[in-house]
Amino acid sequence: AQKVTQAQTEISVVEKEDVTLDCVYETRDTTYYLFWYKQPPSGELVFLIRRNSFDEQNEISGRYSWNFQKSTSSFNFTITASQVVDSAVYFCALSEARRGNTGKLIFGQGTTLQVKP
Amino acid sequence: DAGVTQSPTHLIKTRGQHVTLRCSPISGHKSVSWYQQVLGQGPQFIFQYYEKEERGRGNFPDRFSARQFPNYSSELNVNALLLGDSALYLCASSAHQGAGGNEKLFFGSGTQLSVL
Repeated sequence: AQKVTQAQTEISVVEKEDVTLDCVYETRDTTYYLFWYKQPPSGELVFLIRRNSFDEQNEISGRYSWNFQKSTSSFNFTITASQVVDSAVYFCALSEARRGNTGKLIFGQGTTLQVKP
Repeated sequence: DAGVTQSPTHLIKTRGQHVTLRCSPISGHKSVSWYQQVLGQGPQFIFQYYEKEERGRGNFPDRFSARQFPNYSSELNVNALLLGDSALYLCASSAHQGAGGNEKLFFGSGTQLSVL
């Protein structure tokens, strides 16, 4: 069965600190996709990144970076120099690489990040 | 361009009642998915529709049903409401079927359903 675990329920940091959000996944598939979404208080989930299982290169986008390690089934997310606007709930998600699958994601429980000024 | 829109924003119902939630995808998007998010948890997949056909169903009872219309908008219906149905219901749309699994989903702000 597929499963995503985000062990950190809540994290609180002071502005400008770096913070890493952990994500561990389980799947029997050899081809799959991993995602990170951000959920601000307004409710809608905002797409941050997508990674397929064959691409283990780390990615950096501004203050955001992602570390994908297939050997440990982890897809961790780091925010450098955090800002108050980064405060939100962050979700890691897994998707099957199956034809016809256009919208089924398996989400973790989410990590609530609070960045204090 | 408008994003994914959902209505109503908030809804209060009593046990045993029926509810209909509505979703309009981004213009040009043909795929709609529904998720239930209970407070403090991650979204749980309910349904996926593409070109008006059900393409996926999550582990939810038959009290939950959905449909997609020719204009690609969608409705989620829940019958015989239970207290445990209280949640944020999210709709997401995506552009096309593609190879499957790698679609970037665009989410609406959800409908907050409270069952008393």
